[in-house]
Amino acid sequence: RKEVEQDPGPFNVPEGATVAFNCTYSNSASQSFFWYRQDCRKEPKLLMSVYSSGNEDGRFTAQLNRASQYISLLIRDSKLSDSATYLCVVTQGGGADGLTFGKGTHLIIQP
Amino acid sequence: GAGVSQSPSNKVTEKGKDVELRCDPISGHTALYWYRQSLGQGLEFLIYFQGNSAPDKSGLPSDRFSAERTGGSVSTLTIQRTQQEDSAVYLCASSLNPSDTQYFGPGTRLTVL
Repeated sequence: RKEVEQDPGPFNVPEGATVAFNCTYSNSASQSFFWYRQDCRKEPKLLMSVYSSGNEDGRFTAQLNRASQYISLLIRDSKLSDSATYLCVVTQGGGADGLTFGKGTHLIIQP
Repeated sequence: GAGVSQSPSNKVTEKGKDVELRCDPISGHTALYWYRQSLGQGLEFLIYFQGNSAPDKSGLPSDRFSAERTGGSVSTLTIQRTQQEDSAVYLCASSLNPSDTQYFGPGTRLTVL
């Protein structure tokens, strides 16, 4: 299967700091990209889609680099409530062939 | 509107028994997905439905696993002769169309004793 790789962490970050992590994917035909957030013992929830032009949603910025095949997520002014596992999702489009989740990056925001 | 629902939320069963897990997707969503997440692990893709058909069953771990979807809506995942290694959270997701945003249900936590 196509692979999506993430640093599992944990990333221990003080509250208020900026944190960034990346995800790399191996299939150059991948078309759609997402970041999901998963809290402990909860289901994954969509955080944001990732577009080639980059997109920002409040304190969160996602970027896609097709040439290098990586996706990044930047969190500014981190809050305690940002502590979670962040899952990178890459799809080819058109079906389940390209549905690939990374194993997630565990983020811990410390007071 | 209502999200994806799954039942039961928790299931404890004995090794060798059959279990049936149910997923009710968001109304109007044509695509439905089953995943498995073992403790501390990432999501493992199991099967995908487009309408009532499952074009990709390659993710099912063994022939003890089967799934169906009827009426383009509710799906059931059946595990026959459960084994302890089947213990995991089974997550269902649906999307309006394939490769659109997936919305997850709360999962069924399966424990095989």
